[in-house]
Amino acid sequence: AQSVSQHNHHVILSEAASLELGCNYSYGGTVNLFWYVQYPGQHLQLLLKYFSGDPLVKGIKGFEAEFIKSKFSFNLRKPSVQWSDTAEYFCAVNADNDYKLSFGAGTTVTVRA
Amino acid sequence: GAVVSQHPSRVICKSGTSVKIECRSLDFQATTMFWYRQFPKKSLMLMATSNEGSKATYEQGVEKDKFLINHASLTLSTLTVTSAHPEDSSFYICSAFTGDDTEAFFGQGTRLTVV
Repeated sequence: AQSVSQHNHHVILSEAASLELGCNYSYGGTVNLFWYVQYPGQHLQLLLKYFSGDPLVKGIKGFEAEFIKSKFSFNLRKPSVQWSDTAEYFCAVNADNDYKLSFGAGTTVTVRA
Repeated sequence: GAVVSQHPSRVICKSGTSVKIECRSLDFQATTMFWYRQFPKKSLMLMATSNEGSKATYEQGVEKDKFLINHASLTLSTLTVTSAHPEDSSFYICSAFTGDDTEAFFGQGTRLTVV
C-alpha cells in the first residue's frame, strides 16, 4: 500500500510570498500523483495531477508541481500567493492500476493580506 | 467539472441510533464510489469502495456491519452508520470517478456528531 507524507502542517504567509509544500510518497510501483485543495466550506477540488510525461505539471490558479522520481517527491509551488489561496492542501497518490487514493495529512495554508 | 453531492452536510444524532448519509453523482454515472473518513488534523482515510449492484469492499480495520454501504443505482451510494457512538463522530466524504477515470470528484462532506 502507498503512504503519503506532507511535511508542513500549517504554513502562514503574506500575500505575494512564494509557497512550496512538500509531499513524499512511498510505493514501489508506478503511481499517479495529485494535489487537491479544499477552500473553507467547499468540496475538495483538483489542483493538478501527474500521470506521465513532463514531470513539471502546471495546474489551475497558478500552481505547479514537480515530480522527482528519485526522491519520491511531488512538491507543490506557487510563486506569488494571494489571500484567496487560504485553504487546506492535500497531496494524494494512487497506484497506476488502482483508483483508491491515499492522502497525506494535509497542510493548512493561511495567507495574510 | 463533475458534481458530487452529499446529504446531509451536518447531522447530530444520539448514541445508539443510526444515521444515513447520501452521496449522489449529479451529472454523471458512477459505477464506483469511495467513502473516506477524516479526523481532525488528520488525513482522509479510505473506508470502503462502493460498487453499483454488488457488495462494498471494505478497507482493513473498517467494520462492515457498523458502516453499511449500499450502491443501488449508478448515481447514488449511501453510508449508514449503525448504532452510532461518540467515537464515530467525524467528517465523512465520498468521491467518484467520471468516465475517463483520471480524476476523482468529491462531495462536500458530512459532519457527524454523536452525542
